[in-house]
Amino acid sequence: AQSVTQLDSQVPVFEEAPVELRCNYSSSVSVYLFWYVQYPNQGLQLLLKYLSGSTLVKGINGFEAEFNKSQTSFHLRKPSVHISDTAEYFCAVSDLTGKLIFGQGTTLQVKP
Amino acid sequence: KAGVTQTPRYLIKTRGQQVTLSCSPISGHRSVSWYQQTPGQGLQFLFEYFSETQRNKGNFPGRFSGRQFSNSRSEMNVSTLELGDSALYLCASSPDLNTEAFFGQGTRLTVV
Repeated sequence: AQSVTQLDSQVPVFEEAPVELRCNYSSSVSVYLFWYVQYPNQGLQLLLKYLSGSTLVKGINGFEAEFNKSQTSFHLRKPSVHISDTAEYFCAVSDLTGKLIFGQGTTLQVKP
Repeated sequence: KAGVTQTPRYLIKTRGQQVTLSCSPISGHRSVSWYQQTPGQGLQFLFEYFSETQRNKGNFPGRFSGRQFSNSRSEMNVSTLELGDSALYLCASSPDLNTEAFFGQGTRLTVV
């Protein structure tokens, strides 16, 4: 069975500072990995995905993530955050059945 | 292309009633999944449909059911509502099996 652990429930950061949101997963099979963002009272928006190939994945809004198979991690990074990045971020893993298993979420709070 | 459309956006029901939620996937997408989001349990997978067949089911009681029509639109039904069913119900569509999921805005169900 797959599981996802997001290591920080809240991450406060000042505007224009870099940020890293951590995600570890466990799975006995090959997986696909995703990061989604959720703004208040909204659905989930796909930020980026890792299906195969290059382990460094670039997504929308300047975010990127690195797949590390040996450490079973898929951390999300942004070199310089904006106030508008304040939201909840979810890491998710999918096995080949298409079902998504989500982490508990990380609230990113960007302060001016 | 229009995104995933969920109706209604908000719903208030009384304990013991039943409710039907609707989801129209992105045009051309054949897979539809449903998720329940609550503050306590986070995002949990309900079920997935592909070409009108339920392909995968989460760990929810039989009161939760769904179906998919030939035009890929999907509905989920919850019978004998309980207070604990209050949640944001999210629908996601995918173009095919094992590809990324695109989420709708969700239906906020409140059971009183």
